[in-house]
Amino acid sequence: SQQGEEDPQALSIQEGENATMNCSYKTSINNLQWYRQNSGRGLVHLILIRSNEREKHSGRLRVTLDTSKKSSSLLITASRAADTASYFCATDTDNTDKLIFGTGTRLQVFP
Amino acid sequence: EAQVTQNPRYLITVTGKKLTVTCSQNMNHEYMSWYRQDPGLGLRQIYYSMNVEVTDKGDVPEGYKVSRKEKRNFPLILESPSPNQTSLYFCASSPPWGNSPLHFGNGTRLTVT
Repeated sequence: SQQGEEDPQALSIQEGENATMNCSYKTSINNLQWYRQNSGRGLVHLILIRSNEREKHSGRLRVTLDTSKKSSSLLITASRAADTASYFCATDTDNTDKLIFGTGTRLQVFP
Repeated sequence: EAQVTQNPRYLITVTGKKLTVTCSQNMNHEYMSWYRQDPGLGLRQIYYSMNVEVTDKGDVPEGYKVSRKEKRNFPLILESPSPNQTSLYFCASSPPWGNSPLHFGNGTRLTVT
């Protein structure tokens, strides 16, 4: 069953612009994680935000979590062509031993 | 270098011919998992293992087997592959489950004809 759903499915921007991706989920979570995947490669972990946290930063990345709305957003500031990739949210829900991934947002950053 | 290593990277086989995709991690992680990735469906968990000799089904276990005889290795076995198992497969590992990120291998692209 799909837990996380990203929005938009695809996003195209120019270098230097900010990119915002959203994730909605259905059930209560222990944490929510964001991953990046370059075409056909393995996923790379970006940020983990716990259910009692509201915002986290890592370099040019900013993640927010609103558990009342069951949603999260990933903001990439001052994007670069190298940020071109697919981005996935994944949720660690209560009483399970797995991450459930959404279907991802494909980000294209044009030089 | 800390990593999860999958082999092979690419595999083309025929229906019914048993195959094994290997996965090895050098981070002494307790938790290991297999996912398959298909267009429009995202990543779906096949099997996972909390520790040596402990394995459990994920969301799409049919047609797959796993074993965890050693901490570092978690092979994925397809006893009788079928075309609907054509997919991109990922192995991942983490420290004991709970508030830890997954470390992914680079994937195995399997085609079953």
